[in-house]
Formats: sequence, C-alpha cells, structure tokens
Amino acid sequence: GENVEQHPSTLSVQEGDSAVIKCTYSDSASNYFPWYKQELGKRPQLIIDIRSNVGEKKDQRIAVTLNKTAKHFSLHITETQPEDSAVYFCAASRDDKIIFGKGTRLHILP
Amino acid sequence: EAQVTQNPRYLITVTGKKLTVTCSQNMNHEYMSWYRQDPGLGLRQIYYSMNVEVTDKGDVPEGYKVSRKEKRNFPLILESPSPNQTSLYFCASSLYTGMNTEAFFGQGTRLTVV
Repeated sequence: GENVEQHPSTLSVQEGDSAVIKCTYSDSASNYFPWYKQELGKRPQLIIDIRSNVGEKKDQRIAVTLNKTAKHFSLHITETQPEDSAVYFCAASRDDKIIFGKGTRLHILP
Repeated sequence: EAQVTQNPRYLITVTGKKLTVTCSQNMNHEYMSWYRQDPGLGLRQIYYSMNVEVTDKGDVPEGYKVSRKEKRNFPLILESPSPNQTSLYFCASSLYTGMNTEAFFGQGTRLTVV
C-alpha cells in the first residue's frame, strides 16, 4: 500500500546549524506535501506545505523542496534555535487520503 | 476562536466498556478525520469523512466506528475497547473536501484501556 518513509528518526544539531529531514512517498497521485511540528505534549501544527506544481517553497528559516520524479521531499531549517526542538512529521496527500511519516525528533543542542 | 475540540482529554477505561470520544469544529470544515499516535509509528489515520453522512476507512479502522450526522461533529466510538487501543488520539479537520489543505488538530485524547 501507500507509504511515506521519513529519515532520520532522531536528529541532533548544534544551535545555529542547519537541520534537514527527508521523506519519500510511494503514491504517485499525491499532490500535497505538508510538514507538521509537534512540540512536547501539544497537538501537531502545520509549519509549511508544498504542492506538486512547485519545486521549492521558503518561509523565513524554513524551506521545503520537492522532487516529483524521484518522489521525495525535504524540510530544511536554517539557523536553528532552541524552540525548534520538537517532533516533525512529513505527509503526502491526495484528494481523499493523507499518509504521515513516522516523525523525526529534532534536538537542538546548546 | 477557530478550533477543534476533543473530549475527554484523558480517559482510563476497562476492556469491553463502550466509549465515545467527541470531536467538534467551529470552522465549517468539510473534511474531518481521526488519527492515533503511537511511539515510533507516527500518526495513522483511523477514519475520515469528506462531508455529512460520508465516512470511509483509513489505515487502521479495526475496532473503531465513526459517524458524521452534522458537519461540525465527528465522534469516534470504541464499541469494545481492548488494551491495544491504548494510544493518543487526535481529531483533525480541514476546509475542503479532501486533505489538500491545512489540517487543524484537536488537543488530543490520551486513552488507556486496562
């Protein structure tokens, strides 16, 4: 069945460095790729999304890239800060269905 | 304030005792769905609804039921809960039919079945 693979499962970066999280998907009908951030004890919240007709999108320190041919997309966080510590989920969606990756726990080291 | 509200936030119950987790949204969203979150498994979709009286199975529907009699409410029903349904549950809604817009999540319901 459809699947979304997310790597790494855990990532530790020094404060101020960049973090990259990668996802691959299997359903070629997927056309919407959101990223959600879940802080400890909180609900997931959308931080950025990209649609299949766009290759890259940026919002301040966060960017997402999409390669539809290879079926992979990535989240890039630059100049990481302590408040970036959280679990990040990628997802691949088509009209009626969404599949989430298993999540990446990001630790920002002082 | 635009929001998705789940109740209860925490629930401990015994095996076999029917329970309902309520979900309500005030944003007039068409699409609503339920997820369970387990360590190392991420968010898995249980059921979803694209509009009133339209529901469909997600990836892990066994042991769950839902209904969508009104646009704003989407309760999750466990007819005979078992310990393997111990999990953190999230309800979510999005504006349009389908999931190609931002999903707004409820606060979560932590369920323990003993």
